[in-house]
Amino acid sequence: RKEVEQDPGPFNVPEGATVAFNCTYSNSASQSFFWYRQDCRKEPKLLMSVYSSGNEDGRFTAQLNRASQYISLLIRDSKLSDSATYLCVVNPFSGNTPLVFGKGTRLSVIA
Amino acid sequence: NAGVTQTPKFRILKIGQSMTLQCTQDMNHNYMYWYRQDPGMGLKLIYYSVGAGITDKGEVPNGYNVSRSTTEDFPLRLELAAPSQTSVYFCASSSPAGHNQETQYFGPGTRLLVL
Repeated sequence: RKEVEQDPGPFNVPEGATVAFNCTYSNSASQSFFWYRQDCRKEPKLLMSVYSSGNEDGRFTAQLNRASQYISLLIRDSKLSDSATYLCVVNPFSGNTPLVFGKGTRLSVIA
Repeated sequence: NAGVTQTPKFRILKIGQSMTLQCTQDMNHNYMYWYRQDPGMGLKLIYYSVGAGITDKGEVPNGYNVSRSTTEDFPLRLELAAPSQTSVYFCASSSPAGHNQETQYFGPGTRLLVL
């Protein structure tokens, strides 16, 4: 099983739609979790951290399910500007070992 | 703050040539990383460093070398360029302090074509 797995997509959704991505991780001892966003031909940027209690930032909601070892990202009221690749990122150990990046899920929001 | 800067932005190399990809960060971060990203693929860690004088191999280190003589700089060296090294190279940095300790800040990337 790969360390971090994501559905590569693409997810093609109309403007205003709600879309959700899931990501699974293999190491049950993983300590922290993130979603990064990468626009076409650009560098990845942190979108949001994922906390055990779940967290929300505007139209974006992230959830963590430790028992099933997956994290999710929900985007409400999709905008054209949300079109990007969303990377699931996990720190598999405590301390400051390198993050493990998923290959990403591509989202295209269509007018 | 400029953040993480990388030079050059784009380079074409002939097979067998060598080059150094430069990376500098002005955030006083301890940790620095080099990744490569092939078209349509995910990031692969080449090398990383937890501080000046310390480097470690990542997932795909073969064909590359790094050094970390200062906190700010983390150059990546390609000694004998091969077509398989055609990729986009991203440098990143992070700090172990505070609640954002694992946020990685990426440079804009260097696009390398080996012909």
